[in-house]
Amino acid sequence: SQQGEEDPQALSIQEGENATMNCSYKTSINNLQWYRQNSGRGLVHLILIRSNEREKHSGRLRVTLDTSKKSSSLLITASRAADTASYFCATFGGTTDSWGKLQFGAGTQVVVTP
Amino acid sequence: NAGVTQTPKFQVLKTGQSMTLQCAQDMNHNSMYWYRQDPGMGLRLIYYSASEGTTDKGEVPNGYNVSRLNKREFSLRLESAAPSQTSVYFCASTSRPGEKLFFGSGTQLSVL
Repeated sequence: SQQGEEDPQALSIQEGENATMNCSYKTSINNLQWYRQNSGRGLVHLILIRSNEREKHSGRLRVTLDTSKKSSSLLITASRAADTASYFCATFGGTTDSWGKLQFGAGTQVVVTP
Repeated sequence: NAGVTQTPKFQVLKTGQSMTLQCAQDMNHNSMYWYRQDPGMGLRLIYYSASEGTTDKGEVPNGYNVSRLNKREFSLRLESAAPSQTSVYFCASTSRPGEKLFFGSGTQLSVL
């Protein structure tokens, strides 16, 4: 079964607007990562946030992590048409039974219209 | 800089046929992974190799075998393909488990 679940499943916004998507997970984690996938391509790493971090920024991306609620959010500010893609969260447990495994959610499909 | 290279990009098999998906990375990474991606399911881990000489099962290993040929190469074999194995397969690598993954461009496999 998948560790992370993204919400919403799909998001449609206009250029310039902000896009927010959420990820909830079930078990304790060592870190949580966000990836982007353009149609027909492989996944590209966006940002990694460790369990002892609460917020991280990278360019127009802002990621938060709330380990007490077992949830994370990805905010894309001032979206562009080029941000149209699917976004996935992935969790790394780091415990003996999950060592080596990075588990992905089902993703949020984001469409940014000009 | 090639990164992670997967071959082939597309493949059509008949039920019962076998094939091997190849993956190679040139980043001197220790860990390599095979995922499958199905619509609405996200990525599911098939097998992984945390370091050269080791392989472990992921979430959906049935019907697959892997070989970590050397530090660069990690192959995925379907011994007797089934329609349920129709999917897009991704290989990925990282310096060590838990760090960011670098993905190949994928193999689209159809089993008829």
